[in-house]
Amino acid sequence: KNQVEQSPQSLIILEGKNCTLQCNYTVSPFSNLRWYKQDTGRGPVSLTIMTFSENTKSNGRYTATLDADTKQSSLHITASQLSDSASYICVVSDYNTDKLIFGTGTRLQVFP
Amino acid sequence: DTGVSQDPRHKITKRGQNVTFRCDPISEHNRLYWYRQTLGQGPEFLTYFQNEAQLEKSRLLSDRFSAERPKGSFSTLEIQRTEQGDSAMYLCASSYVGGARDTQYFGPGTRLTVL
Repeated sequence: KNQVEQSPQSLIILEGKNCTLQCNYTVSPFSNLRWYKQDTGRGPVSLTIMTFSENTKSNGRYTATLDADTKQSSLHITASQLSDSASYICVVSDYNTDKLIFGTGTRLQVFP
Repeated sequence: DTGVSQDPRHKITKRGQNVTFRCDPISEHNRLYWYRQTLGQGPEFLTYFQNEAQLEKSRLLSDRFSAERPKGSFSTLEIQRTEQGDSAMYLCASSYVGGARDTQYFGPGTRLTVL
């Protein structure tokens, strides 16, 4: 079982709409949780990074939340744009090993 | 461009051939990571360096794979006797360890296709 699970696996929304992506993890203890955006055929780009003591972090239209008690995180995208079409990967850093544990990502498609 | 760069971006090779990829990290970063990513999956850790020292290798890194970072700057990843299962995107990332947060910055990747 993957230590970082994301849902939904894929999502289609219309331009201008909001959406929320989910991440559940079992990595414990963890030092931080990150969200990356990965365009097709490109490397991942960091969107947000939160330590266990942070509940929310925003980066423009992207807002990440973290509940360390329930081991859940979400990424909310506001007023989606066509350029938001990408995979969004949740990544948890293992405190003991310093390794990054990657989720399999949510593939988001924004249609006009 | 001061980001992480990788070369080549695409490589097509025949099974059994050797291939070598290069990664140039962000200049002040002391850590360099190699990952492999197959379609629809998140990146999988292969190995990482702190300066020139290779500190960890995943069991995914079979003896056909070797990585070097001779001067603590750029790194190379070589795959010998390639197999079709090696077809994947190979990602390099770098970070600076010592700051409050060790954010890894990824390169664009090298897509390998083994025929």
